[in-house]
Amino acid sequence: NAGVTQTPKFQVLKTGQSMTLQCAQDMNHNSMYWYRQDPGMGLRLIYYSASEGTTDKGEVPNGYNVSRLNKREFSLRLESAAPSQTSVYFCASSEARLAANTGELFFGEGSRLTVL
Amino acid sequence: AQSVAQPEDQVNVAEGNPLTVKCTYSVSGNPYLFWYVQYPNRGLQFLLKYITGDNLVKGSYGFEAEFNKSQTSFHLKKPSALVSDSALYFCAVRENSGYALNFGKGTSLLVTP
Repeated sequence: NAGVTQTPKFQVLKTGQSMTLQCAQDMNHNSMYWYRQDPGMGLRLIYYSASEGTTDKGEVPNGYNVSRLNKREFSLRLESAAPSQTSVYFCASSEARLAANTGELFFGEGSRLTVL
Repeated sequence: AQSVAQPEDQVNVAEGNPLTVKCTYSVSGNPYLFWYVQYPNRGLQFLLKYITGDNLVKGSYGFEAEFNKSQTSFHLKKPSALVSDSALYFCAVRENSGYALNFGKGTSLLVTP
């Protein structure tokens, strides 16, 4: 079982370049999430998708766009990368459609992005 | 708004001694509380959760957490620490009307031989 798979694992960009982080889960989960992790700040939610066909902003959505391509895949796009977007990005999925479920998250291994 | 606070950036404990990693929360309504662990260069792994019921929750790898509603706390504990427990620990909360988890800043646990 692969769980949550993120690609690429590492990426270096120049300011102004664009790129897409890919995420796929094979657990038939309804909800998917993108977080960024920065030293001393923990994990902050960028966007989430509570179910296929829906997306919503999290705490820090500026500079990002997302696509829930199907139930398995949830991509994160940086249209014009900035140094402030240097971070480790984590994709996660959850069985929960509604908060009435427990909402345990399953995380990918992370994508380390550096913007010069 | 929902939030958690982890007041300690780092906790040091000797192997074999009990450990506690602290977490306090703030939510409107009943909280769903979680602990996750992150090993170097890895994603977060679920340890345990409190939804309702017994205030003492048992989880993976011998960890447990105590929910205290009056103190709005959810401290992570283990009776006897192992060197392999050294990692970054995150507390997280979700309101029962929300979708996503809000994470604390994390506490680095170092267990020395």
